[in-house]
Amino acid sequence: EIVLTQSPATLSLSPGERATLSCRASQSVRTYLAWYRHKPGQAPRLLIYDASNRATGIPARFSGSGSGTDFTLTISSLEPGDSAVYYCQQHINWPLTFGGGTKVEIK
Amino acid sequence: EVQLVESGGDLVRPGGSLRLSCAASGFTFNNYRMGWVRQAPGKGLEWVANINEDGSEKHYGDSVKGRFSISRDNTENSLHLQMNGLRTEDMAVYYCARVILDHRDSPFGYWGQGSLVTVSS
Repeated sequence: EIVLTQSPATLSLSPGERATLSCRASQSVRTYLAWYRHKPGQAPRLLIYDASNRATGIPARFSGSGSGTDFTLTISSLEPGDSAVYYCQQHINWPLTFGGGTKVEIK
Repeated sequence: EVQLVESGGDLVRPGGSLRLSCAASGFTFNNYRMGWVRQAPGKGLEWVANINEDGSEKHYGDSVKGRFSISRDNTENSLHLQMNGLRTEDMAVYYCARVILDHRDSPFGYWGQGSLVTVSS
């Protein structure tokens, strides 16, 4: 099973600041890595797929990078509505696995 | 517009069974692989199961293998999850999800609103 480790566990930033979230895989997933945003009481939303491709309707302030074992989700300018838990997920091998999540708090 | 609507969540006793369903609309159902993902109270997302377009290929998470069974009815555009031998640790919100790309494994681009399964005596 591929283990995904996300850091930090919690990120507390002000609106307009840049957020950098990390996801590290226990073995190479090439670029088969996705990022989701999950707000309480809502369905998760796909942000990035194949490590760096924005999903439909996702604004350009969200960007993904990385390959192999190290990946980054960057939110260039935080907005109040970005408060959520962000998860990475690999889809190169079964079982599919998610990281433990990074909680982003907006001050 | 893609819509996924789950149903069937309920309170069940440990050891009991439950069948979740997901009604899909707004896309050509038999072109897409589908899956179930759950979130236990206070925990993160956990993948449960996936099924391919014609139902011939199924994959399960280790924690549910042998107890849960995923299926689909392409004539009714529906996805199902039969859950047997339920445990307290299976208590979660269960999401039905569709992959983003047709005819290939890919991330989940569309999600339902979730169905709550409570396992308690």
